[in-house]
Amino acid sequence: KAGVTQTPRYLIKTRGQQVTLSCSPISGHRSVSWYQQTPGQGLQFLFEYFSETQRNKGNFPGRFSGRQFSNSRSEMNVSTLELGDSALYLCASSLVGRGGSNTGELFFGEGSRLTVL
Amino acid sequence: AQSVTQLGSHVSVSEGALVLLRCNYSSSVPPYLFWYVQYPNQGLQLLLKYTSAATLVKGINGFEAEFKKSETSFHLTKPSAHMSDAAEYFCAVSATGFQKLVFGTGTRLLVSP
Repeated sequence: KAGVTQTPRYLIKTRGQQVTLSCSPISGHRSVSWYQQTPGQGLQFLFEYFSETQRNKGNFPGRFSGRQFSNSRSEMNVSTLELGDSALYLCASSLVGRGGSNTGELFFGEGSRLTVL
Repeated sequence: AQSVTQLGSHVSVSEGALVLLRCNYSSSVPPYLFWYVQYPNQGLQLLLKYTSAATLVKGINGFEAEFKKSETSFHLTKPSAHMSDAAEYFCAVSATGFQKLVFGTGTRLLVSP
């Protein structure tokens, strides 16, 4: 079974630009979460999607947004990039049980490393 | 609100020695607790998880962790370190039914020959 696939793996942008990152979850996984990883702040939760709906959101500005498609694939977008947005962006998928509950067991992709110049 | 504290940003052991990585949690509800490992330039991989079924949890690669409610701890151990264990380890907590994981700051394990 294929794992979580994130594209692109590496990208370089300049301040003020926007970026879109893509995530394909493991087949059958309907929940997709996004995390930002930086040396200073560690791993921080961005948001989680289930059934094309944002179910949970972290403490990030509105420049960070996401969406989920009917096939469970997800994208996240960062607009008006700032230097501090340089990070590894990790996508994770998980199974969801009855009633939308979950175990919290996440399967991570290898991440998209964004560098903002 | 949930949080975890990992004591020690770096832990060094010799190959064959005991590995002990510390994690203390704070949670207002009975938590789910996890240990994840991250190898260089890779995503995170689940080592083990606690979901209230048993206090001693065995994971992959010979790792195990014990949930101690009285100490609010969930320390990760391995009897004998291997060079391939060198990586960064993250403890995480989640409230029941929620997807959001709160991660600790991580502990980098260094294994010397």
